[in-house]
Amino acid sequence: GAGVSQSPSNKVTEKGKDVELRCDPISGHTALYWYRQSLGQGLEFLIYFQGNSAPDKSGLPSDRFSAERTGGSVSTLTIQRTQQEDSAVYLCASSPYSPEAFFGQGTRLTVV
Amino acid sequence: SQQGEEDPQALSIQEGENATMNCSYKTSINNLQWYRQNSGRGLVHLILIRSNEREKHSGRLRVTLDTSKKSSSLLITASRAADTASYFCATDEEGNTPLVFGKGTRLSVIA
Repeated sequence: GAGVSQSPSNKVTEKGKDVELRCDPISGHTALYWYRQSLGQGLEFLIYFQGNSAPDKSGLPSDRFSAERTGGSVSTLTIQRTQQEDSAVYLCASSPYSPEAFFGQGTRLTVV
Repeated sequence: SQQGEEDPQALSIQEGENATMNCSYKTSINNLQWYRQNSGRGLVHLILIRSNEREKHSGRLRVTLDTSKKSSSLLITASRAADTASYFCATDEEGNTPLVFGKGTRLSVIA
């Protein structure tokens, strides 16, 4: 019954490796968002899932980025062949059928 | 993509003073929200104002919305050191659209 859960909280990976970031939304929330935030910057929209509708992928920066949401619940954001510019905090949020979004604590990704 | 632009980018005030942050956006919106972020991690929802509303209050927070100017302001009255954080506005449009955030205002309240 807790809030949005993201794992891992921190991830260090070598350039060129693939990473998977996980988001467990609040049960019953139909909408799920992924955002990226570089140090001291705003939130960059990546992808949006709403119910059974096709996801809005318009914010994904390249084809190395993809996301799935299985069974309308857990979501995984995958980054293939990571680059140093992918280093950021990746934030997930979920929302009931209302505009208010509930955020997880994020995954800090460092690509070395 | 980022829709909102907050200003100022950074604001430093003394405890007890009022803090005002502004947000401008580009398209027609359905709702505008303000969020707070401590230490670069998860955001917390503060207040929502609908496009047909002009002003809303919640505790020490007051939000105004001017759809003709595509702008909103967040006023925090009688600020406290604990209000130190980054504040973001977020908008959504009619239909099934995602929340889009601005770049944020970093507020420092000095005790």
